[in-house]
This record gives sequence, C-alpha cells and structure tokens, in this order.
Amino acid sequence: AQTVTQSQPEMSVQEAETVTLSCTYDTSESNYYLFWYKQPPSRQMILVIRQEAYKQQNATENRFSVNFQKAAKSFSLKISDSQLGDTAMYFCAFMKRGISNFGNEKLTFGTGTRLTIIP
Amino acid sequence: DSGVTQTPKHLITATGQRVTLRCSPRSGDLSVYWYQQSLDQGLQFLIQYYNGEERAKGNILERFSAQQFPDLHSELNLSSLELGDSALYFCASSPLGTWKTQYFGPGTRLLVL
Repeated sequence: AQTVTQSQPEMSVQEAETVTLSCTYDTSESNYYLFWYKQPPSRQMILVIRQEAYKQQNATENRFSVNFQKAAKSFSLKISDSQLGDTAMYFCAFMKRGISNFGNEKLTFGTGTRLTIIP
Repeated sequence: DSGVTQTPKHLITATGQRVTLRCSPRSGDLSVYWYQQSLDQGLQFLIQYYNGEERAKGNILERFSAQQFPDLHSELNLSSLELGDSALYFCASSPLGTWKTQYFGPGTRLLVL
C-alpha cells in the first residue's frame, strides 16, 4: 500500500515571498503519478500541478513548480511570488499507474498543509 | 469550475436515515470516483466506476453503495446513517487516456444529527 506524508501541518509566509511545501511518499511501484491539489476555504479541490514518475524534468505551472526526487521519494511544491489567493489547504496525492487504462486509479492523499499568505 | 456537478450541496439528516448523493461527470469523462473527507480520516477513496462498471473499491462501508448510470451520472447511497458519517463527499471524474487527472466536484456536505 502507498502512503503519503506531509510533515508540515501549517505554514505561513508574507505575500510575494516564496514558500516550499514538503511531501514524501512510500511505494514499491515504479510507474505512478503525483499531484498537488489546493483546497481553499470554499472546500473545492483544485488541481495545482502534476508529475509523471518516469519524467525527470520537474513540472512547472506559472508560479507553481515541483522538486521531484524519485530516489528519495520526495515531491515538494514551490510557490513563487505568493498571493493572498494562495491561502488554502494543500494536499499531495499519489496515483499508481495501472497496467491497463482501466485499473485501480484511486488517489492516496496526504494529511495536508494549511498555508496562510500574510498581507 | 471543474465541470463536475454534485447535488445537493448540503444535506442534514438524522441517524438511521438513508440519503442519495448525485454526481454528473465532466462531458466525455467515463470514470467517476467518490471520496470522503472527514476530520478524523482525512481524504479517503471510496469507489470508482468506469462506464457503468465498478472498477475499484476503497474504504467503503457496507452501508454505502454506488452506481453509475448509462448517461454516466453516478449516485452514492448512504444508509443507516451514523454520526460518524458526517463528512464532505466528493465526486471526481477523469478522461480516458494516459493522464488520469481527476477533476473534483464542489462536494456534498453531509451532517448527520
């Protein structure tokens, strides 16, 4: 079974600063996907960024980027130029890549990091 | 807006009752997933359907059941409700293909009194 660990329950940072959220995972799988989801106060789950395990290049989406270290099983999220709208709960998630397209595609989530951007 | 819709947004009911949560996936998505988010259990996968067939089961109680209809909408049925079933229930859908990104609906907040 896969496990995802987010060791920072809460973080806060000044607006416009850079912040890094940590995530580690444990798996025996070699093919998988990793995701960061954001849950603002509205409780909506919003995809932030995604990474395929076989790709060595770190994913980037505008101000959001990841540091994927496969050997260390680490998948951290960096938010640059943080904005007030980034205030949210951030969840790291793991998905095993099935043999077929129709396998078990459940997401395994970490416990989340509550990020507060201070004006 | 993810394109996934869920109804109702809020539901208040009593212990022992039965409720049905409804989900419509994004246009073209064949897979539907149900998750439960509670304070003590966090976000947990319940069940997955693909084009009407059950594909994977997670920590879903026997009192809970789900199905996906020919028009691809899905329903999650919760029966003999207990206080501990109070949670936010999410539905997500994903497209066919290599990338299995799941797009979440707004959730149904269930309160069992």
